[in-house]
Amino acid sequence: SQKIEQNSEALNIQEGKTATLTCNYTNYSPAYLQWYRQDPGRGPVFLLLIRENEKEKRKERLKVTFDTTLKQSLFHITASQPADSATYLCAFRGSSNTGKLIFGQGTTLQVKP
Amino acid sequence: DGGITQSPKYLFRKEGQNVTLSCEQNLNHDAMYWYRQDPGQGLRLIYYSQIVNDFQKGDIAEGYSVSREKKESFPLTVTSAQKNPTAFYLCASSNREGNSPLHFGNGTRLTVT
Repeated sequence: SQKIEQNSEALNIQEGKTATLTCNYTNYSPAYLQWYRQDPGRGPVFLLLIRENEKEKRKERLKVTFDTTLKQSLFHITASQPADSATYLCAFRGSSNTGKLIFGQGTTLQVKP
Repeated sequence: DGGITQSPKYLFRKEGQNVTLSCEQNLNHDAMYWYRQDPGQGLRLIYYSQIVNDFQKGDIAEGYSVSREKKESFPLTVTSAQKNPTAFYLCASSNREGNSPLHFGNGTRLTVT
C-alpha cells in the first residue's frame, strides 16, 4: 500500500540553526507533495506544495526539495526560531485519483533559544 | 472571514451513546474530509465527500457515518459500534483539483468513558 514515513523522533535544534525534516514515500510516485504545520490542539495549516518536476521550492525561510529517484522530500527551515516549534506533516494524494490525501505521522521540531 | 469551523472543541460521552461532530465551511469548497488523529499515528481518513449528496469511505470508516446534504456542512456521527472512539477529530475542505491543499478546522477532542 502507499505509505509516507517521517521520522517519529522529535528534532531538537538551537535557535538560528537550520532544521531539516525528512519525508519518505513508498509504492507510489506522486505528482506532488504537500507540507503542513500543526500546533498542539490545532488543525494542520498548509505551508508548501512541490511538484515532481520541481527540484526545489522556497517560501521565506522555508525550502522544500523533492527527489523522485530517492522517493524523498526534505523540508528545511533556515535561521530557525522558537516560534517554529511545531509538528510538521507531509502528504500526497493517492493514486486512485479520488481526492484522498495520505499523511505521514509528522515530525515534532523543538527550537531552543 | 472564510474558514472551517468545528464544534464543540471538547466533547464527553458515555460508552454506548452515539455522538455527532459538527463541521461547517464558508470557503465554497466542493470537497470535505474527516480525519482522526491519535498520538504517534498521524492523520487517518474516515470519510470524504467530493460533492453534495455523495461521500466515500476512507481507511477507517467502521463505526462512523456521515451526511452531505449541504455544500457547507459535513457532520460526522461516531456510533456505539466504534470500538475506540476517544480521539482528536479533524475536519477539512478543499477544491476538487488534484493538488489543492486542505484547509483544516481546529478539531474536536472526543472522550468516551
